[in-house]
Amino acid sequence: ILNVEQSPQSLHVQEGDSTNFTCSFPSSNFYALHWYRWETAKSPEALFVMTLNGDEKKKGRISATLNTKEGYSYLYIKGSQPEDSATYLCASPNTNAGKSTFGDGTTLTVKP
Amino acid sequence: GAVVSQHPSRVICKSGTSVKIECRSLDFQATTMFWYRQFPKKSLMLMATSNEGSKATYEQGVEKDKFLINHASLTLSTLTVTSAHPEDSSFYICSARNPRGRMDTEAFFGQGTRLTVV
Repeated sequence: ILNVEQSPQSLHVQEGDSTNFTCSFPSSNFYALHWYRWETAKSPEALFVMTLNGDEKKKGRISATLNTKEGYSYLYIKGSQPEDSATYLCASPNTNAGKSTFGDGTTLTVKP
Repeated sequence: GAVVSQHPSRVICKSGTSVKIECRSLDFQATTMFWYRQFPKKSLMLMATSNEGSKATYEQGVEKDKFLINHASLTLSTLTVTSAHPEDSSFYICSARNPRGRMDTEAFFGQGTRLTVV
């Protein structure tokens, strides 16, 4: 993996469904992995910052896991709600204050 | 949490004119800010890294004379799109990170600017 890649590109689920999507990133020279939620007409907001292999983080119904050795992270949403509809971005920064490479995002639409 | 403010949120300009976009960190000092451009159905493409008190670092393929970046203070970076053309129409967004001496520092984004060149 040379770049940060996300799949699927888009996802449509029914309210109450659980879902997950993937972020793949270069495993060499790994520094950190960030997940952001970007709602329409708003700024992207950070969900998780993950740095250690095996990290699992949770915020309400949303959780994420990290595998730095194989270069992937999963984002899970349990019991999706319409307000979860957004584009979810992952990013890999190259240093503590350096630039980040973003994936193309997964756009989630949750239908009532 | 930290706040980054970007202005204007929308601007329409005529071909050939220049447009300035401001990005401010409201409650922290940002020695480095980042400018991104979003193409349709694509993610954020890094254009340049804005460095306080020194020249910006541009990504490959981004014209520095076209996209002028000035980072005159620890809380303000500006992006000026010079001699704008319709193909410059896009969504531009800035971000800054507040390291606080830690590894786990997320980026804080401005609201973005939708530029339309007519």
